[in-house]
Amino acid sequence: DAKTTQPPSMDCAEGRAANLPCNHSTISGNEYVYWYRQIHSQGPQYIIHGLKNNETNEMASLIITEDRKSSTLILPHATLRDTAVYYCIVRVRPNTDKLIFGTGTRLQVFP
Amino acid sequence: DVKVTQSSRYLVKRTGEKVFLECVQDMDHENMFWYRQDPGLGLRLIYFSYDVKMKEKGDIPEGYSVSREKKERFSLILESASTNQTSMYLCASSPNGGPLYGYTFGSGTRLTVV
Repeated sequence: DAKTTQPPSMDCAEGRAANLPCNHSTISGNEYVYWYRQIHSQGPQYIIHGLKNNETNEMASLIITEDRKSSTLILPHATLRDTAVYYCIVRVRPNTDKLIFGTGTRLQVFP
Repeated sequence: DVKVTQSSRYLVKRTGEKVFLECVQDMDHENMFWYRQDPGLGLRLIYFSYDVKMKEKGDIPEGYSVSREKKERFSLILESASTNQTSMYLCASSPNGGPLYGYTFGSGTRLTVV
């Protein structure tokens, strides 16, 4: 599975958009981009995933560049409850569905 | 609400004890996973299972074993607990086939080995 690079930490003001970047320059054509987050003392939570088109759900939007070498997770109106570690993961989906986590980006939303 | 339930939130065990960490999911998922999480190291995969009685080693299986006798239950076993197994343990499940859904994680078991 391809490796990802994320900044270790970011800050965002409450109510503003949080844009979390991820670099995955070695991604293969059949690898998906997944985003999870982990709020302190809880298990990780699935946010969104995509292959090559931009995706949006009730939690966030995912923008994938045309060459698929990077992506951005967008939280349109960050709240204090969005303070968490955000993980970007790229992987093929074999039958075993194995996910390998990196160290993620610690997002701090401040009032 | 669908859930992955881990039997204990906090656990304290003595060195050399045999420890069982239990995980149950109610979503009829085929795949189940055990991770441990340590500061600075992130989440690391210990074992996973894609079917009843099937298991595969993850990245750090040494000192652990697993059991999956029923589809909904996946147990992690520390045969002889050691202090370097003090960690947060997270269980997860995911379905096979169809659209790509994410994993569902439990709330974790914080194990301290003294």
